[in-house]
Amino acid sequence: EIVMTQSPATLSVSPGERATLSCRASQSVQSNIAWYRQQLGQPPTLLIFHASTRATGIPARFSGSGSGTEFTLTVSSLQPEDFAVYYCQQFEDWPYTFGQGTKLEI
Amino acid sequence: QVQLVVSGGGSVKPGGSLRLTCVASGFSFGDSYMSWIRQAPGKGPEWVAYIDFSSSNIIYTDSVEGRFTVSRDNAKNSLFLQMASLRAEDTAVYYCAKGLGTVTWGQGTLVTVSS
Repeated sequence: EIVMTQSPATLSVSPGERATLSCRASQSVQSNIAWYRQQLGQPPTLLIFHASTRATGIPARFSGSGSGTEFTLTVSSLQPEDFAVYYCQQFEDWPYTFGQGTKLEI
Repeated sequence: QVQLVVSGGGSVKPGGSLRLTCVASGFSFGDSYMSWIRQAPGKGPEWVAYIDFSSSNIIYTDSVEGRFTVSRDNAKNSLFLQMASLRAEDTAVYYCAKGLGTVTWGQGTLVTVSS
């Protein structure tokens, strides 16, 4: 099973600032990675797929990069709704696996 | 707009059974792979299983293989998860999701396995 490791576990930032979240895969997943945002009490929402493609309706302040085993999600100019938990997920190999999450807090 | 409404969650004793139902709308259900994903309290999500359009390809994660059964009724836009021999570690919010690989999630239902 491919293990996805996210860092940091918690990131303290202020509204309007930039946040950079990291995700590492235990083996290459090529570009088969997605990022989700989960607000409190809600299901996750797809932000990015294939490492860098924004999902429909996702604002340009979200960007993804990386390939192989190292990936980054950047959220520029943080909005109030961005203070949530973010998960990376690989879909290179079954079982598809998620990271343990990064919590963005004020 | 994709809507996925899950019902059937609740509390059950270890060894018990439960059946979850997901009713879909807003997209072509019969043309879509569907998945079940769960999330234990305070944990990251875990992919449970997926099923293809015609139910000819159904894959489970190892921890539920032989205990859980996924099925679908395309005529009723419905997806099912039959859970048997439930364990405490199956306690989670269970989500129905459209797709495979990258998915659109519906609202979940809480399943609690406790004596």
